[in-house]
Amino acid sequence: GENVEQHPSTLSVQEGDSAVIKCTYSDSASNYFPWYKQELGKRPQLIIDIRSNVGEKKDQRIAVTLNKTAKHFSLHITETQPEDSAVYFCAARAGNDKIIFGKGTRLHILP
Amino acid sequence: GAVVSQHPSWVICKSGTSVKIECRSLDFQATTMFWYRQFPKQSLMLMATSNEGSKATYEQGVEKDKFLINHASLTLSTLTVTSAHPEDSSFYICSAHAQGPDTIYFGEGSWLTVV
Repeated sequence: GENVEQHPSTLSVQEGDSAVIKCTYSDSASNYFPWYKQELGKRPQLIIDIRSNVGEKKDQRIAVTLNKTAKHFSLHITETQPEDSAVYFCAARAGNDKIIFGKGTRLHILP
Repeated sequence: GAVVSQHPSWVICKSGTSVKIECRSLDFQATTMFWYRQFPKQSLMLMATSNEGSKATYEQGVEKDKFLINHASLTLSTLTVTSAHPEDSSFYICSAHAQGPDTIYFGEGSWLTVV
């Protein structure tokens, strides 16, 4: 089955700097890669996603890149703000529609 | 847009009792729903796949007799935690896949505390 690895587990960046979170997946049949932001006590919120036919996608300060050959995908947040502090999960959807999550990255934006 | 509703949001139950959590797709039909569990400071772990009109498929290590899943209609899946124990206390969340657009939607989640 699919296995998703996520790094780092904790990330602290100065406000205004960029943050990068990286994930790898194992199942070459996976075709959909969403990223979720989860605040304490709340459900995960989809912030951006990318499909296997695209290499990069951007939405304002957030971008995601996908390298299918290497089975890597990354989340980039630029000009970080205090409200970006949260736990971020990458995920991969395999052909059976199962969404498998990475272990999460706790992002701290330092003032 | 498409919404997945989950109920209850919070539940406290006594050890040994059973608790039912509902997951509804409000404006789309979902032949498949997924149930996840999230312990504090951990990731979402897939427990099982709920299939409309047939038996759920469980991930390795998840007891099917303890976590009963019923998907009797195209808009409702239920998870029943039977004979709950304190170690079952967790955040349970469901998701459903909408075909058009091709998007995964999550319920609000249910906090279960077993005392």
